[in-house]
Amino acid sequence: EVQLVESGGGLVKPGGSQRLSCAASGFSFSSYSMNWVRQAPGKGLEWVSSISTTGSFIYYADSVKGRFTISRDNAKNSLYLQMNSLRAEDTAVYYCAREPSGSYYDYWGQGTLVTVSS
Amino acid sequence: EIVMTQSPATLSVSPGERATLSCRASQSISSNLAWYQQKPGQAPRLLIYGASTRATGIPARFSGSGSGAEFTLTIGSLQSEDFAVYYCQQYGAWPPAWTFGQGTKVEIK
Repeated sequence: EVQLVESGGGLVKPGGSQRLSCAASGFSFSSYSMNWVRQAPGKGLEWVSSISTTGSFIYYADSVKGRFTISRDNAKNSLYLQMNSLRAEDTAVYYCAREPSGSYYDYWGQGTLVTVSS
Repeated sequence: EIVMTQSPATLSVSPGERATLSCRASQSISSNLAWYQQKPGQAPRLLIYGASTRATGIPARFSGSGSGAEFTLTIGSLQSEDFAVYYCQQYGAWPPAWTFGQGTKVEIK
């Protein structure tokens, strides 16, 4: 069974940093691109970042470019999102999602809430 | 950036009736479109990809159609578990920048 479990969310002050993790199991993690997608409270879905199977190709939404860094460790079946210079508008549930190469998201984690507030 | 526009924002439907949801892209995306269902407090669930292919385990009452810039999700004979928010998503852009529609809430009439 495919499982994606996010962790690392919490309350952080504006300007602060947070690192999210996503532990994958039940599939060959190194064979799939992975993504972070977020959802602000009561709002819609927003793609944040994507990383290819080996990490060679990385993409970011303009809203997070220069502040967030996506990475992966295929040996540990894990995906990460380092978030720096956090703003109130970054408050959201952050989901990791599996992407069958350049396409849709076929599995999602349950999400982790990041709240940016003083 | 490709903008995805869904309509209507809210759809009130009685159980057993059909629901038709629309999604429009700001430019052609061929058939690179997915539909997701999201219930309160849950992660989104993939329903349809490639504009018309049902994901694994999705009931046949869910169907997708369209290509280019106009797409439709049809839910035939709504069941109680189908009341949720539905999002469309394009994945055909280059450089990659996946975008979602704003969602359509299907509520009980």
